[in-house]
Amino acid sequence: EAGVAQSPRYKIIEKRQSVAFWCNPISGHATLYWYQQILGQGPKLLIQFQNNGVVDDSQLPKDRFSAERLKGVDSTLKIQPAKLEDSAVYLCASSFRDRGEMNTEAFFGQGTRLTVV
Amino acid sequence: AQKITQTQPGMFVQEKEAVTLDCTYDTSDQSYGLFWYKQPSSGEMIFLIYQGSYDEQNATEGRYSLNFQKARKSANLVISASQLGDSAMYFCAMRERYSSASKIIFGSGTRLSIRP
Repeated sequence: EAGVAQSPRYKIIEKRQSVAFWCNPISGHATLYWYQQILGQGPKLLIQFQNNGVVDDSQLPKDRFSAERLKGVDSTLKIQPAKLEDSAVYLCASSFRDRGEMNTEAFFGQGTRLTVV
Repeated sequence: AQKITQTQPGMFVQEKEAVTLDCTYDTSDQSYGLFWYKQPSSGEMIFLIYQGSYDEQNATEGRYSLNFQKARKSANLVISASQLGDSAMYFCAMRERYSSASKIIFGSGTRLSIRP
């Protein structure tokens, strides 16, 4: 079974530029998550999709970050314009449809390491 | 307020010894799930073990076991007979209800280093 695919693996941009990350979840997984992991910290949930609808985006800085999941499969996370503090690893994860069971684990991609200079 | 607290930023353990990684959590829900993930230097998050809030037995998966003390709201990970390959970051996480769905939140992690 193929895992969660993310690209690119690494990206270096200058501040105020824009950047986009792509995620392809495990086939059949209805729930997709984007996490931001700053060096030395735990992952922070940015946005959670159920199919193509947003379940939670309370911690997404909406003035600069946007995400979409067209057709309920692939997802794109965009930052525009980037700031120095956006330097982090952006992790995409997916899980089976959320029916309220607490034992549903999330499967993670390898992440995209973003450096803003 | 911190939902998941991991108080050990880093730990050093001798190879073949057992190690306990601490995790406490905060929730008012009766139904929740607790997870431990391993993150090697390569960056991917690897699921290790799960404990449900209603599970009466402590979860075990090979060399991993979860010491679940519900009244104290703690879910410590125990790794028996540690190996060099266990060197990594370890994250405790909790799935709790949010609106009509649920979400997973993570602690700050513990960096475990195994000495040969």
